[in-house]
Parts: sequence; C-alpha cells; structure tokens
Amino acid sequence: ETGVTQSPTHLIKTRGQQVTLRCSSQSGHNTVSWYQQALGQGPQFIFQYYREEENGRGNFPPRFSGLQFPNYSSELNVNALELDDSALYLCASSLTDGLAGPYNEQFFGPGTRLTVL
Amino acid sequence: SQQGEEDPQALSIQEGENATMNCSYKTSINNLQWYRQNSGRGLVHLILIRSNEREKHSGRLRVTLDTSKKSSSLLITASRAADTASYFCATDNWGRALTFGSGTRLQVQP
Repeated sequence: ETGVTQSPTHLIKTRGQQVTLRCSSQSGHNTVSWYQQALGQGPQFIFQYYREEENGRGNFPPRFSGLQFPNYSSELNVNALELDDSALYLCASSLTDGLAGPYNEQFFGPGTRLTVL
Repeated sequence: SQQGEEDPQALSIQEGENATMNCSYKTSINNLQWYRQNSGRGLVHLILIRSNEREKHSGRLRVTLDTSKKSSSLLITASRAADTASYFCATDNWGRALTFGSGTRLQVQP
C-alpha cells in the first residue's frame, strides 16, 4: 500500500457530463500527478500540481483541469465528457525537494475507473 | 506518445522459471523505473535505476540499464503465481512526467 487514496473507485457518466475525481497524496509528499490509462495501454501523463499550481501538462485539452489544495490533495475535473475519456485515472504523489534530488519517484493510488456512455 | 516500449507484449512461463522483460526508449533519460500493475488496478513501484547505474537488485528482481543502447531489462527470478501482472517501464527525462511504455503482460502458471 502506498498511502495514496483515490475516490471514487468506479464512476459511470454520460457523454457531455462533467466529472470530478479526488486524490489524497502520501504523507510527506507535496506533488501530485495525474495519468490516464486506456485499456491495454500504458498510463499517459495529464498534468502535475506542485504548490497548488499546475507544474507541467501533457497533451490533453483544456477541458481537463485540476486543483491542488493546501494539504496537497488534488482534484481532476473533466468537462464535456467524451466516449474516449473512458479509462482508468491514476493519481501519483511524489516529493519535490531540491535536496532530495531530481529522481521523481512516483507512488500511485488504486485509480478511478471512469466509464462514459 | 510512448517513450518506452516493452518486449515481449505477453509472456507465459511456469512457476519457478525466470522471466525477462525488455524496454527500449528513444531520448536521453535521468532515470528509468519499473512498475507492476495487477488487473487494471494501481501501479506498484518496483525499482528505480539512475542513468549512471548499470545494474540494480531488489529481492528477486534484477534490472539492467544500457544507456548506449537506450534499453533496460527486468529479470524476475524464481517466479511465482503471484507475479502474474502487467509490467511497465517508465522513463524520467528531467521533466515533470513519467513516460510509460505499453507494458508486458506476464502470466505465471502454477
């Protein structure tokens, strides 16, 4: 167990709706990254949050947005859901610390399975 | 786009045998990490190897890294049925993201 939690576990939405997914980072970690994993594929980076600001973004449209809170937990919001948004959404926490070195070791939560009908 | 590509895509072995998975990548890296995923659940971090390291061990796992060939291998010795999972390599090229391959699906027959 990594200590990273995500909610909900499963979610079913219809096309055009909006969804919010939540993540609590591991104790001592201050950075949260979100990934989308389609069936049979590896995870794809969506974005990362550090100090409550977006700290890097992958090739995802603006309808994918996020937040990070002072306790380092995070939300992923997706607007105007499309069928292709059906996937496992993974949250990963890590420690960004100049003293710890740039090794970016990320620890993943169990994921939220989103189905868009 | 996928940075790392694992080979083979699927592997079936008997319990007790060794399993070897390979990963190739395209650009220079800071480090390479291996993860395990059971049945579409969360990823479990297995091992991180830095770009200046050539080999690393953790229990029954042995990872090698050849930066000149831009490749890595993961060896699982004396496999168990519980090792059945998908295995992913992920590269960190000093950016914010880890870039994953499409994974190797390992089936260990009891």
